Amino acid sequence: DVKVTQSSRYLVKRTGEKVFLECVQDMDHENMFWYRQDPGLGLRLIYFSYDVKMKEKGDIPEGYSVSREKKERFSLILESASTNQTSMYLCASSLNQERGTDTQYFGPGTRLTVL
Amino acid sequence: AQKVTQAQTEISVVEKEDVTLDCVYETRDTTYYLFWYKQPPSGELVFLIRRNSFDEQNEISGRYSWNFQKSTSSFNFTITASQVVDSAVYFCALRSTTDSWGKLQFGAGTQVVVTP
Repeated sequence: DVKVTQSSRYLVKRTGEKVFLECVQDMDHENMFWYRQDPGLGLRLIYFSYDVKMKEKGDIPEGYSVSREKKERFSLILESASTNQTSMYLCASSLNQERGTDTQYFGPGTRLTVL
Repeated sequence: AQKVTQAQTEISVVEKEDVTLDCVYETRDTTYYLFWYKQPPSGELVFLIRRNSFDEQNEISGRYSWNFQKSTSSFNFTITASQVVDSAVYFCALRSTTDSWGKLQFGAGTQVVVTP
């Protein structure tokens, strides 16, 4: 079974703090994704990575950056947290199969509160 | 642009009732994939099904069944004889094959509440 883990289930930070959210997958997947989930909006893609040190912006990258130094680990960074970044953050990974066929597998999520 | 609409925000049923979740999508692609995920209270999204646009056969897996109607751009999900463990948020998602990175476009989700 694919296992995607996230470093924290719950996190409380203060405005202006630098925040790191970590995600690790154990299935040697090429692709990794960061989403945020907000009520009524579903999941929205922040950033994704298709290889080590490679990254692409998703639909809402503003205020975020990412790092992928190792294949199994994908970090989401909030350089200066703001209250509007209070949300549930979900990490996912997928094997880079024939275009369109691979399934994304998700971690348990990190509920971040910025005060 | 791609879009997924789940018009039902919340559905409440009593155990053993059937419940159908609607999903309507928009895409200009001729080849695409549709997904359903379940998010229980624990938070983790659990993959339920993937269907490609060329396969319009309905699928049944235990108490779950899916009805794909390309003519109406819908991919509806039915839970038969619902149980309390079915209480969760269910997401429909669309993936284009013209997007080389396979990004998913999610609907807003439907909360299903099953009471004993």
